[in-house]
Order: sequence, then structure tokens, then C-alpha cells
Amino acid sequence: DTEVTQTPKHLVMGMTNKKSLKCEQHMGHRAMYWYKQKAKKPPELMFVYSYEKLSINESVPSRFSPECPNSSLLNLHLHALQPEDSALYLCASSRDQRTVTEAFFGQGTRLTVV
Amino acid sequence: QQPVQSPQAVILREGEDAVINCSSSKALYSVHWYRQKHGEAPVFLMILLKGGEQKGHEKISASFNEKKQQSSLYLTASQLSYSGTYFCGSFYGGSNYKLTFGKGTLLTVNP
Repeated sequence: DTEVTQTPKHLVMGMTNKKSLKCEQHMGHRAMYWYKQKAKKPPELMFVYSYEKLSINESVPSRFSPECPNSSLLNLHLHALQPEDSALYLCASSRDQRTVTEAFFGQGTRLTVV
Repeated sequence: QQPVQSPQAVILREGEDAVINCSSSKALYSVHWYRQKHGEAPVFLMILLKGGEQKGHEKISASFNEKKQQSSLYLTASQLSYSGTYFCGSFYGGSNYKLTFGKGTLLTVNP
């Protein structure tokens, strides 16, 4: 199984809502990532988890709160978002953060903030 | 730090060849190539490590010139299925292991 599964596929939320994005992999990978991608732009790294611990936070606003409850799951909690946060949110995983191997990407959650 | 890709866009007819370049001003530990079709997730193509490696995947191959800190992706006899945006990702070592993507090259293959 070489899949990274993200739910939901689409999400529309108001600026006062609280929602969560979910990501799951069963490849035994110990590094998991959140990327944000705007239209016609490259994926931008937001967070890296390595062995369930937050390894990198790319100065992401606190309205985005990541969580890694176990080695297979990665969540991104959203609260009080702004319309400019509308984007495709991609989750990825790799064997571990320090080994140069391929990253597997999920299909993404397309988020619209209204 | 972000690798620089060129060209920004390429339009080909089926069967033609293309080269996409990726360079960095900072020492590269490895270069990763991904292709993303519209509305889909990026898909891994190949990784090149330090040492001037050249790797291939069917009619797509790539090289890595460590001295020049450059990588090139070669698409030979392009097929319609090659259309998409190609991203090179640079993996910088040190204390902050993370993959950073270039701005992408939009490749369109027409019949």
C-alpha cells in the first residue's frame, strides 16, 4: 500500500469555524509533512513531523495547528482562517526526514474560506 | 532558499523532446523531480544524489552536475501523458532537512 489518504477532499468553512484536515498512511513512514499549494504555485512546506514530533514549523500562523497522534496519522486543525488561506493542502510522507527518499503525496484537501 | 527552474513553460508536439533545468545557488545534497497534473497530487519521478548521477525512467531521464549545482530533466519523444507541471525539489542537508520546490515548469504536449 503506497497511498497517502487525505480527508475531506473538499472543505468550505467560514472564518469563525473550526475544522480539521486528516491524513493517513500505512507505509511505516516516520516523516510526515503538510504543504500548502496555491493555484499555479509550487507546494510550500508548512510543517514536518519526524517520529511523531514536530521537527519544522515554517513560521506558519497559529490559526493552523498540526497534530500527529501516532505514526500513521497527521491532522491539521484550522481555526479563524482568512480567505487568503484558501488553497490546496497536501499531506506527504517519507521513510524518515533524514533519508533521501521519495515523498508520497496525498490527493489534497481543497479548502475554501468564505 | 528555492531552486530556480527554467523554462517556465514549454509547448511541444507529440514526439518532440524537451529539457527542463533546475539550479541552486546553495550546495545541493540531492535533487528530486515530481510531475503534477492539474487537480492531482505531485507524483515522484526520480531522485539524483551528489556524484553526477544520471537516472532514467522510461523516456524520461535526468542528470545532476554537482559542480554547477544544476540538474536537467530530459523528456524524449514526448507523449500526451507527459503534460503537467514539473517541479524540481532540492533537499538541503545540515540541521534542517527539508524538501523545497522550484516554481515549476508547465509542459503541454499537443497531438
